[in-house]
Amino acid sequence: DTGVSQNPRHKITKRGQNVTFRCDPISEHNRLYWYRQTLGQGPEFLTYFQNEAQLEKSRLLSDRFSAERPKGSFSTLEIQRTEQGDSAMYLCASSLGLGGRSTDTQYFGPGTRLTVL
Amino acid sequence: AQKITQTQPGMFVQEKEAVTLDCTYDTSDQSYGLFWYKQPSSGEMIFLIYQGSYDEQNATEGRYSLNFQKARKSANLVISASQLGDSAMYFCAMREKGDMGRRALTFGSGTRLQVQP
Repeated sequence: DTGVSQNPRHKITKRGQNVTFRCDPISEHNRLYWYRQTLGQGPEFLTYFQNEAQLEKSRLLSDRFSAERPKGSFSTLEIQRTEQGDSAMYLCASSLGLGGRSTDTQYFGPGTRLTVL
Repeated sequence: AQKITQTQPGMFVQEKEAVTLDCTYDTSDQSYGLFWYKQPSSGEMIFLIYQGSYDEQNATEGRYSLNFQKARKSANLVISASQLGDSAMYFCAMREKGDMGRRALTFGSGTRLQVQP
C-alpha cells in the first residue's frame, strides 16, 4: 500500500532562489491538496486540484507560488524568488473524491521542509 | 473568528489512562465534517477519526472515539488506554461545504500530548 510521497524531504535554499517540490498522491485518488505548516501551528490550506484542474486557491498563495498537476497524477509546487518567510513545512495530501456525503478523507505525505537562508 | 479552537496547548496523561482533547468549531453550514489527525515528531499527519455533521452516533475507531456535541459545536477526541506511542501533536480540523463547495480543511493550533510511563 503506497501512501502519499513527497520529494525532496528537506530543501535549504538562499533567499531569491526558486524551488520546486513534487507530490505523488495515492494512485487512485483524484483530489490533491497543498498545505503549509509553520512551527507551532496547524497546516494552512494553499490549493486544491481535482484531476488536473486547480479548483481552489487560498489568498496565502501569492503570485510567487504556482502549482500544477498536468496529467492529474503527480503535482509540483514552485516558489519563485524565495523569502525567509517562506520557510515552513509544505504538506501534500490526497483524497478519493466520491461526492455526496463521502468522508473524502485527506491522507497526508511526510512533507517537504523548506529553509530559506 | 477562529474556525477551530483547541484550548489545550499541552496535555499530560499516564500510560493506560484515558485522555480527552478538546475541540470547538464555528460554522454556519449545515453540512460539514470534523477530523482528527495525529502528528508525531517525524512530521507526517496521520488520520485518526471522522465525524460528519449528520452522523447520529459518535464516531469510534479502535482506541479513539469522538464526543460530538453538535449544539455546543464541540468535537472532543477521547483516547482510551493511552500508550507511549500516542505522544504527539493532535490537530482537529473541519471541512465546510460552504457556498463554493470548499474541500479544504481548516485546522486548529493543536494539542501536544505527552504520555508518561
